[in-house]
Amino acid sequence: AQSVTQLGSHVSVSEGALVLLRCNYSSSVPPYLFWYVQYPNQGLQLLLKYTSAATLVKGINGFEAEFKKSETSFHLTKPSAHMSDAAEYFCAVSLSGGSNYKLTFGKGTLLTVNP
Amino acid sequence: GAVVSQHPSWVICKSGTSVKIECRSLDFQATTMFWYRQFPKQSLMLMATSNEGSKATYEQGVEKDKFLINHASLTLSTLTVTSAHPEDSSFYICSARPLVTGGLGELFFGEGSRLTVL
Repeated sequence: AQSVTQLGSHVSVSEGALVLLRCNYSSSVPPYLFWYVQYPNQGLQLLLKYTSAATLVKGINGFEAEFKKSETSFHLTKPSAHMSDAAEYFCAVSLSGGSNYKLTFGKGTLLTVNP
Repeated sequence: GAVVSQHPSWVICKSGTSVKIECRSLDFQATTMFWYRQFPKQSLMLMATSNEGSKATYEQGVEKDKFLINHASLTLSTLTVTSAHPEDSSFYICSARPLVTGGLGELFFGEGSRLTVL
């Protein structure tokens, strides 16, 4: 079984400040981990993914995430927030080697960016 | 990049009618497509897994007869909400797994379809 916990349903930062969105996972086998972003009334867009290669993963729009097995974490960061980063962010886990690659999502974190 | 398109984006229907939502992979073939339901300010809830040419696998608690899923080709899956009621109003999102993924487990998502049942 696999699960994802996103700490903080709402994170608010000032423009130019560090963005940190937290994600912890639980998986019985080595996982694949993903961060997706969702803008209002839209589907999900992949930001980045971890697939057992480099533990520090760089994604689009300046985001990156670090896989820490000892902490079972995959936190998302961005050095400097932009107004356009305001959206809902979902962390997701998939079991590696699974035949259907079913994704389990966290509950999401709403990021607001203040001017 | 891989593109998944959903149609319609918005649909309003009367209670008791049926609504069909299409999910198409535009530039790749998808052996597996997933249908999700998302309530306001909540996460995505997986409804069913759809494999081309076979019956869909529904998650526990999802009514098979109410949410009919058809995956007739490698680029198209449809979700039909039968005899829709106001409680079926929601945002429905599909995702597709490319035929060739290299084992990365990546899915591509449609834009979502907002269903409102009056």
